[in-house]
Amino acid sequence: DIVMTQSPSSLAVSAGETVTINCKSSQSLLSRVNHKNYLAWYQQKPGQSPKLLIYLTSTRESGVPDRFIGSGSGTDFTLTISSVQAEDLADYYCQQHYGFPLTFGSGTKLEIK
Amino acid sequence: EVQLVESGGGLVQPGRSLRLSCVASGFTFSDYGMNWFRQAPGKGLEWISYISSSSGTIYYADTVKGRFTISRDNARNTLYLQLSSLRSEDTALYYCGRRGITPGFWFSYWGQGTLVTVSS
Repeated sequence: DIVMTQSPSSLAVSAGETVTINCKSSQSLLSRVNHKNYLAWYQQKPGQSPKLLIYLTSTRESGVPDRFIGSGSGTDFTLTISSVQAEDLADYYCQQHYGFPLTFGSGTKLEIK
Repeated sequence: EVQLVESGGGLVQPGRSLRLSCVASGFTFSDYGMNWFRQAPGKGLEWISYISSSSGTIYYADTVKGRFTISRDNARNTLYLQLSSLRSEDTALYYCGRRGITPGFWFSYWGQGTLVTVSS
C-alpha cells in the first residue's frame, strides 16, 4: 500500500500569510503512461464533508480560488495557500489516486491567529 | 445538482451487522463507479471500498475486507455497504463519494455521512 505522510500536523497563521502543506508518498505517483502525478488535495471545514480542491497534483477543481496551488512530482507534493483568509480554517488532506487501495495523508489542521 | 444521501447508521453491538445506503440523484447513477469512505471521531479520512458502474470491479481496504460488502442497485440509484462482524474500531462517520466528470479516482461529490457507533 502507498503510505502518505503529511506535514505539519497543524499550523497557525495570520490572515494574509502564505501557508505550505507537504505530502510525501512512499512510492512514486508519476504515471509512465501520461506523465501525470496522481495526487489530490481536500479541504474539510468543521462539521462538513470533504471538499475536493485539487487533483492530478495541480489541477484546481471548478470554483476553487486560485490562491490554492498544488505542485510537486514523484513522491513529494505541496499545497500552497496564498493570502490565507479566515474562511480557510479547516483540515487539509492529500490523497493518492495512483492505485488501490486509495490512501490519504493524516491531515493538517490550519488555524487562523 | 448531484446529491448523495447516506442513511442506515446507528448504535450497534460488537459482532452485529448493519447495512448502510447511499441514495444518488442529479446524475445517471449507472454511469459512475462509487466509493465508501469513513472518518473515525477526531481522526482522518479512510477510503474503504469501490464498486464500478456495472458492479464488475470491486475493491476493499484490508481493514474491512471479508467483513464489509459493497453493492449497488442501479434501478434504485442506490449504493449499499453491508457491515458485518462489527468492531469498536469501525465506529465512524461513513461517507459515499463519486468522482467528477473527468475519469479518475479523486472525489468531487460527497454525502453528508451517516454515523455508525459500535458499542456494547
